[in-house]
Amino acid sequence: EVQLVESGGGLVQPGGSLRLSCVASGFTFSSYWMHWVRQVPGKGLVWVSGINSDGSTIIYADSAKGRFTISRDNAKNTLYLQMNSLRAEDTAVYYCASVRVVAGGMDVWGQGTTVTVSS
Amino acid sequence: DIQMTQSPSSLSASVGDRVTITCRASQSISSYLNWYQQKPGKAPKLLIYAASSLQSGVPSRFSGSGSGTDFTLTISSLLPEDFATYYCQQTYSTRYTFGQGTKLEIK
Repeated sequence: EVQLVESGGGLVQPGGSLRLSCVASGFTFSSYWMHWVRQVPGKGLVWVSGINSDGSTIIYADSAKGRFTISRDNAKNTLYLQMNSLRAEDTAVYYCASVRVVAGGMDVWGQGTTVTVSS
Repeated sequence: DIQMTQSPSSLSASVGDRVTITCRASQSISSYLNWYQQKPGKAPKLLIYAASSLQSGVPSRFSGSGSGTDFTLTISSLLPEDFATYYCQQTYSTRYTFGQGTKLEIK
């Protein structure tokens, strides 16, 4: 079964850090772009960051640049998002997603992990 | 960044209705446009990629069209399970952006 499973979310104080993980199974993880997308409950989807198959190309939304770091370990079939200097506005459900179709369509999504930034 | 604007923001319809959702890009994005369906508490699901290609396993009542700046998602005959929120997404620019969403509700 093709699957992505996120973990690492939780409650963190403003200014703190968290590392999210996303483990892939059922497909050749090392062949595809991967992305992080977040969603404030009741609001829309917001793209956060993406990384190409070998990690040589990385892109960030302005909101993530300088604070978040995306990375991947293809030997472990795992995608990461290191989040530093967290703010209240980073509170959201974070999804990882793979791109295995043309035009960048995100065809496999994880179940999401919740990050809450609050004192 | 490329801005994506969906209309309407919400829509009430009945089972069996034909509905169309529109997505407009702030600049030309060729056919780099995808559509997703999201139900409450669930991850999004890819419906249409490259503006008009139906994702594997998605029912044929869903269809997409358009290129350049104007795109549409059409559901030919609504079923109860189609009531959800729909998002468009551009992938022309490497900094992907989503539309604000269209909530499809039961009339």
